[in-house]
Amino acid sequence: QQQVKQSPQSLIVQKGGISIINCAYENTAFDYFPWYQQFPGKGPALLIAIRPDVSEKKEGRFTISFNKSAKQFSLHIMDSQPGDSATYFCAASEETSGSRLTFGEGTQLTVNP
Amino acid sequence: GAVVSQHPSWVICKSGTSVKIECRSLDFQATTMFWYRQFPKQSLMLMATSNEGSKATYEQGVEKDKFLINHASLTLSTLTVTSAHPEDSSFYICSALDALYEQYFGPGTRLTVT
Repeated sequence: QQQVKQSPQSLIVQKGGISIINCAYENTAFDYFPWYQQFPGKGPALLIAIRPDVSEKKEGRFTISFNKSAKQFSLHIMDSQPGDSATYFCAASEETSGSRLTFGEGTQLTVNP
Repeated sequence: GAVVSQHPSWVICKSGTSVKIECRSLDFQATTMFWYRQFPKQSLMLMATSNEGSKATYEQGVEKDKFLINHASLTLSTLTVTSAHPEDSSFYICSALDALYEQYFGPGTRLTVT
């Protein structure tokens, strides 16, 4: 019930391409869906987040698409760059339960020059 | 975005000793902070939720007497690993919840117990 399933586990794209990472959840009470970027040896950095009242949110090259009925959300990275090579985690939380984040398993993204 | 710091960034200690890790929210007040543990190439595992002025809430399977958490102010939470053993070696990361319920993470602390 609390799990967040993330795919793919690893992803390789060419510079300038679109990177797409998908997540699915079961708990319909989740009301906050952030994406984090993590570089080796560093803490996760909040990239972009969405709440269920909208179906899409865009910030620069990063877009979250949210499908409430399918209980799925995805991260799109447009014009992917080698500097985007990192591990990406989706997460979900329920504000009324103290905002404890449930994380996906992570996606190792490699952008080739 | 909001900034969270951790200190130290890495620490090596001998088995049986205790280590304290500090987590600070630098530009916002955080009633709630979280402590995570992360093993190589794995996701983050929530250890406990720290609320200012009250006892921490530990996740199932996390020994509260081994991982002592204190949230003494709205900008500082500490995690003390007591009687550390090699299996406690890991990457410990804290996060802080801002007023918009967005969670910002610290840079992490690498603990190595020899």
